[in-house]
Amino acid sequence: GAVVSQHPSRVICKSGTSVKIECRSLDFQATTMFWYRQFPKQSLMLMATSNEGSKATYEQGVEKDKFLINHASLTLSTLTVTSAHPEDSSFYICSATDSSYEQYFGPGTRLTVT
Amino acid sequence: AQSVTQLDSQVPVFEEAPVELRCNYSSSVSVYLFWYVQYPNQGLQLLLKYLSGSTLVKGINGFEAEFNKSQTSFHLRKPSVHISDTAEYFCAVIRSPNDYKLSFGAGTTVTVRA
Repeated sequence: GAVVSQHPSRVICKSGTSVKIECRSLDFQATTMFWYRQFPKQSLMLMATSNEGSKATYEQGVEKDKFLINHASLTLSTLTVTSAHPEDSSFYICSATDSSYEQYFGPGTRLTVT
Repeated sequence: AQSVTQLDSQVPVFEEAPVELRCNYSSSVSVYLFWYVQYPNQGLQLLLKYLSGSTLVKGINGFEAEFNKSQTSFHLRKPSVHISDTAEYFCAVIRSPNDYKLSFGAGTTVTVRA
């Protein structure tokens, strides 16, 4: 099956710094990638949709200047949390699709902002 | 607006007993339905999906689900659970045929006890 990786799996950063999370599709070309945020014991919340070579589309309420998304190639999308604060601490999950109706999910990145 | 309702937030079950996780959706258009499983601190793994065809869908790990259009339901079942089935289960739906975005239910925590 299709494999999506995320790096890093865990990251701890200080308040005010920026953190970059990578999402890669390892064995297929991902025309679209999605970024989700998941709080403890809760469901996934879609943050943005990323298409290769174009600007990401953000869901209502998600600050595009705080959560920078770059989809530079058909196998790589990055999410940068800028000027992170403790309330940004969360589990971030990406998914990728090859234009089918199935999304392949990465293993997630646990971000802790101290 | 499309939404997904998972009627049970927590389902405790004994090993080798059957389990059913309920999911209802609301939509006025054709839908594509999914069940995902999430183990602690991991991403999501697809259990099964309904896109068209037979309303009884068989997935991995012995799970199956039945699409019921008249009741707008897509309940997940397994006739005999194992300890390893302890996880979070999410029902999800594609919002429209032209939109790859997933809407997730709140999730159901399944705890299997010996």
